[in-house]
Amino acid sequence: ELKVEQNPLFLSMQEGKNYTIYCNYSTTSDRLYWYRQDPGKSLESLFVLLSNGAVKQEGRLMASLDTKARLSTLHITAAVHDLSATYFCAVDKGYGNKLVFGAGTILRVKS
Amino acid sequence: EPEVTQTPSHQVTQMGQEVILRCVPISNHLYFYWYRQILGQKVEFLVSFYNNEISEKSEIFDDQFSVERPDGSNFTLKIRSTKLEDSAMYFCASSGGGNELWEYFGAGTRLSVL
Repeated sequence: ELKVEQNPLFLSMQEGKNYTIYCNYSTTSDRLYWYRQDPGKSLESLFVLLSNGAVKQEGRLMASLDTKARLSTLHITAAVHDLSATYFCAVDKGYGNKLVFGAGTILRVKS
Repeated sequence: EPEVTQTPSHQVTQMGQEVILRCVPISNHLYFYWYRQILGQKVEFLVSFYNNEISEKSEIFDDQFSVERPDGSNFTLKIRSTKLEDSAMYFCASSGGGNELWEYFGAGTRLSVL
């Protein structure tokens, strides 16, 4: 059974600091996703990572994938308040297959 | 930009009542999903639907749940006899297959069972 673990579950950061969220998954998967969720809102797609060594960057967020270690990271650079949200990683095993989500990381960026 | 549309945004019902949650997936998509998120918890898969039939369902998706694609555009989730523990945000998602990588999520329906 595919399981996804994220850590930390809660992250309180000062503005301007860097930090990394980790996502481990238990079995081989085709794709790894990062989503952002604001309170009471839907899931906003951030990144999809397909292959070993894949790295994608958007603004202050950078995601990477190590398929051998079954590990993805979401790195936050010079955090700003607007990044406060819950971040989920999720994996699936191909088209039409369900997404299995991690528990989510609640990120709070303090001024 | 195409989007997944869900109605209603908030549904309040009495325990034991039937509810139908509605979704309009992105028009050329082939795969449809329902997920739920209990307040403060992670997103959980309920069911996937392809080619007019269920392709996978979770243990949460018991006999009280059913899905239907009654026409070419709508995708519905029915809960026959709601329980208090069914209170959650329900998300519909769709994906296109082929080169389409993402599952696109609707804004969700918050179901409150009293």
